[in-house]
Amino acid sequence: EVQLVESGGDLVQPGRSLRLSCAASGFTFDDYAMHWVRQAPGKGLEWVSGISWNSGSLAYAESLKGRFTISRDNAKSSLYLQMNSLRAEDTAFYYCARAEGPYTSLPIDYWGQGTLVTVSS
Amino acid sequence: EIVMTQSPATLSVSPGERATLSCRASQSISSNLAWYQQKPGQAPRLLIYGASTRATGIPARFSGSGSGTEFTLTISSLQSEDFAVYYCQQYNNWPPITFGPGTKVDIK
Repeated sequence: EVQLVESGGDLVQPGRSLRLSCAASGFTFDDYAMHWVRQAPGKGLEWVSGISWNSGSLAYAESLKGRFTISRDNAKSSLYLQMNSLRAEDTAFYYCARAEGPYTSLPIDYWGQGTLVTVSS
Repeated sequence: EIVMTQSPATLSVSPGERATLSCRASQSISSNLAWYQQKPGQAPRLLIYGASTRATGIPARFSGSGSGTEFTLTISSLQSEDFAVYYCQQYNNWPPITFGPGTKVDIK
């Protein structure tokens, strides 16, 4: 069974940093591209970042460039999102999601349950 | 960036009735479109990919159609567990992946 378990969400002050993690199990992690997608409370889905199976291809939402960094550790079957200079508008549930294959241009087929990031003073 | 729009924003349907949801892309995305269902407090679930292929375990009452810029998700006979928000998503032009704003299907 595919499982994606996010962690690291917290209440943080504006301007601070936070690192999210996603532990994957039930599949061969390095066969799949991965994404982070966020959802502000009561709002729609917003793609944040994606990374190919071997980290050779990375991309970010234009509005986030320079503040967020995606990475993965295939040996640990883990995905990460380093978030710096956090703003109130970054408040959201952050979902770890798996692409259907090794490239990020494929549909997302599994989602974690999400971790909540709240940015507030 | 490809902009996705969905209509209607809310669809009120009685159990057993058919629901038809629309999704439009701002430019052609071929058949590179997925549909997701999201219930309150839950993560999204993949229903359809490639515009018309049902994901594993998805009941046959869900069907997708369309190509280019116009797409439709049809739920042939709504069950109580189908009341949820439905999102379309394009993965033709990446980055970025883009989602529609969602259609909420609620009980009439």
